[in-house]
This record gives sequence, C-alpha cells and structure tokens, in this order.
Amino acid sequence: KQEVTQIPAALSVPEGENLVLNCSFTDSAIYNLQWFRQDPGKGLTSLLLIQSSQREQTSGRLNASLDKSSGRSTLYIAASQPGDSATYLCAVRAPGAGSYQLTFGKGTKLSVIP
Amino acid sequence: AAGVIQSPRHLIKEKRETATLKCYPIPRHDTVYWYQQGPGQDPQFLISFYEKMQSDKGSIPDRFSAQQFSDYHSELNMSSLELGDSALYFCASSLASVGEQYFGPGTRLTVT
Repeated sequence: KQEVTQIPAALSVPEGENLVLNCSFTDSAIYNLQWFRQDPGKGLTSLLLIQSSQREQTSGRLNASLDKSSGRSTLYIAASQPGDSATYLCAVRAPGAGSYQLTFGKGTKLSVIP
Repeated sequence: AAGVIQSPRHLIKEKRETATLKCYPIPRHDTVYWYQQGPGQDPQFLISFYEKMQSDKGSIPDRFSAQQFSDYHSELNMSSLELGDSALYFCASSLASVGEQYFGPGTRLTVT
C-alpha cells in the first residue's frame, strides 16, 4: 500500500527566505505527483503536477522536483512571502487497484513571518 | 476559468439523518472524485466515476452511496449519519488522460 510522508510537519521562516518542503513515497511506481496548497478550512489548490516521466516542474516562485527511483519529491519556494502561509500537501497517483485515487501526505504547515 | 462547484457549502444534520452533497465538475472533465477530510487529517479518497461509471472505490462506508449523472454532475448520498461523519467533503474533477485533479471548495458537514 502506498504511503506518503511529508517532513517537516511544520515550518516557520522569516519573509524573503527560500525554503524546501519534502515528500517521500514508498512505492516508486507512480503515474504522477501533485503538490497542493490548503488554507485553513478551505479547499485544495493545485500548485504543480509532475508526471512520472518528468524530473521537475516550475510555476512562478515554485519549483517541484521528482526522483521516482528514490521515492522523493521536493517543493522549492523562492523568496517566501507572508501570503505563502498555508499547509502544503503532496499526493501521488499510482497504477493498479486504486489507480484513480490520490494518496496524500499529512502536509507541512508553513508560516512565513513578516 | 470555471472551477469545480460544490453545494451546499455548509450543512448541519442530526444523527441518523440523511444528507446529499452535490458536485459540478469543470466542463469537459470526464472523471469525478470524492474525498473526506476529517479535522486535522489529510484527505481520504472515497469513490470516483469515469464517464458516469464507478471507476474506483476507497474507504467509503456502506451507508454512503454516490453516482454520476448524464450531465456529469455527481451526488454523494449519506444515510444514518454519525458524529464521526463530521468533516469536509471535497469533490474533484479531471481529464482522466491528464490526471491533474482540481478540487472544489468543499462541503463542511456537521453532524450533531
């Protein structure tokens, strides 16, 4: 069964710092990996999707990398801003039974201090 | 751009009552997913539909059922509600061939 782990569970940084969020998954046979942002009590906003054949994706100040063989992904946020404060979730989609579902990590709660 | 629409946004029910949650996917998306997120938890997959047929089933209680209609909207029906069913219920949609899932704002269900 696929398991997704995110480290750290919480992170507090001063505004302007670059930071890295980590995600690991136990089964490297995945279709894709998505990074989401969730504000308290709100929905999930898709940030980046990396297909299994890709190594990285970039969107603005965000860069996500994927190392499928080692079961790891990182989300790099450049020049962090207070508005980046949220919980960041990593989720994977894998082939086989349950291939339509996303399996989520428990998230990293990010606080960017002005 | 159009997003996933869910209704109602908030719902309060008593134990043993029934609830129906509705989801309207992004136009031209052929796959709908339902997830449940308890307080402080990560989203848990319940069920999905591809072209109006059930495509995958997760940890959905037998008290819950769902379907996707001819216009692609989906409904999650929940009966004999329990206190533990209180959660945020998300609907997501995607083009199966692409796979990126787009989530709706969620329905917050409170069972008292």
